[in-house]
Amino acid sequence: QSALTQPASVSGSPGQSITISCTGTNNDVGGYEYVSWYQQYPGRAPTLIIYDVTKRPSGVSSRFSGSKSGSTASLTIAGLQAEDEAAYYCASYTISTTWVFGGGTKLTVL
Amino acid sequence: EVRLVQSGAEVKQPGEPLKISCEASTDSFTTSYIAWVRQMPGKGLEWMGIIYPGDSHTTYSPSFLGQVTISADKSISTAYLQWRSLKASDTGMYFCARRPMIGKWFGSWGQGTLVSVSS
Repeated sequence: QSALTQPASVSGSPGQSITISCTGTNNDVGGYEYVSWYQQYPGRAPTLIIYDVTKRPSGVSSRFSGSKSGSTASLTIAGLQAEDEAAYYCASYTISTTWVFGGGTKLTVL
Repeated sequence: EVRLVQSGAEVKQPGEPLKISCEASTDSFTTSYIAWVRQMPGKGLEWMGIIYPGDSHTTYSPSFLGQVTISADKSISTAYLQWRSLKASDTGMYFCARRPMIGKWFGSWGQGTLVSVSS
């Protein structure tokens, strides 16, 4: 079961928008509307920021949004802020009734 | 909000057994799922497996099947991750995470347990 494919790093300036992609297969991302995204600061536990592809938990900024096309999901962060600098991971439910994470993307706010 | 509290850091030698824990702060322990996630030093998240404490049904990632055992004691709202014989490659941070009954996401996470295996 291979990890979902994410870019290792992305960067953007404050106020800009960035998008992180997450590519899987028809057995995971492409087969279900069960993609979630997690934010992780160094030395901290991950926190949920998007679930079911597009939904935001209560308390998560509306600057975070999710989408999916085929077997590729995307996380978009609008109006970048310094506090957004973190690692981001996608995850998907799979045909094997397991979950798989992406390799993670390090976001740098310039 | 569900709070998950994990046991403290462990320093072990190769070949030793280990069992780490994850205690949930809610009565909904038996109507949700607890997953375990590994993060090796400087690396990404890896999904290891999940348990439904209501009936102790477990599902493992193929990468971890036979390498670890996930269990739960619903009488004390605690899930466990155990190894029979640790290897140096088991060194890492281990997180427990709660999946709600009808959802397929992990909304609450423990603080992590650091496991160090070295001779």
